[in-house]
Amino acid sequence: QVQLVESGGGVVQPGRSLRLSCAASGFTFSRYVMHWVRQAPGKGLEWVAAIWTDGSTRYSGDSVKDRFTISRDNSENTVYLQVNSLRAEDTAVYFCARYGAVTGYDYWGQGTLVTVSS
Amino acid sequence: EIVLTQSPGTLSLSPGDRATLSCRASQSLFGNYLAWYQQKPGQAPRLLIYGALSRATGIPDRFSGSGSGTDFTLTISRLEPEDFAVYYCQQFSSSPPYTFGQGTELEIK
Repeated sequence: QVQLVESGGGVVQPGRSLRLSCAASGFTFSRYVMHWVRQAPGKGLEWVAAIWTDGSTRYSGDSVKDRFTISRDNSENTVYLQVNSLRAEDTAVYFCARYGAVTGYDYWGQGTLVTVSS
Repeated sequence: EIVLTQSPGTLSLSPGDRATLSCRASQSLFGNYLAWYQQKPGQAPRLLIYGALSRATGIPDRFSGSGSGTDFTLTISRLEPEDFAVYYCQQFSSSPPYTFGQGTELEIK
């Protein structure tokens, strides 16, 4: 069955960095566009970044542009989110999601919590 | 950027009632690429409806989607206790950002 498992979250000081990972299984990873979505405590969902199947095309939201970088390793069935220059407002649960062009996000991971605090 | 506005913010209903949730886009969605998700506390969102009209795999038929262009609706025909949750719409009509609505909380009256 399809599984997405995020890891790499934690408590980090402002200005520091983390690398979030999302390990995929149960489907042909290289055929799917992958996204990251985040949710601040008690708030709604915010789209963060997307990466195309071969990694050639990437997008990121305005609030994280130039600080967050999405990447993938199709040989390891893993998508990453490098988060730099973290701010208090980046505190959130970060979800990875499998994207289907017609279906939207048909599978989600359980999320990994990033807390930015001094 | 396409802005999605969901209404109402909170909907108070009883089990057995019919729920109607609205999602309005700031511009017409090409291909009606709009999805609805359900989220319960401490869980990841779950896909309910895609392409504005189609139920995702395993979703009960009491959930239905309708609409086109800029106005979309999620209807739950007869609420079950497990349906009380937060519902989000999301558009995939254009290149990113793939924006979400702010959510509608469906609470037990």
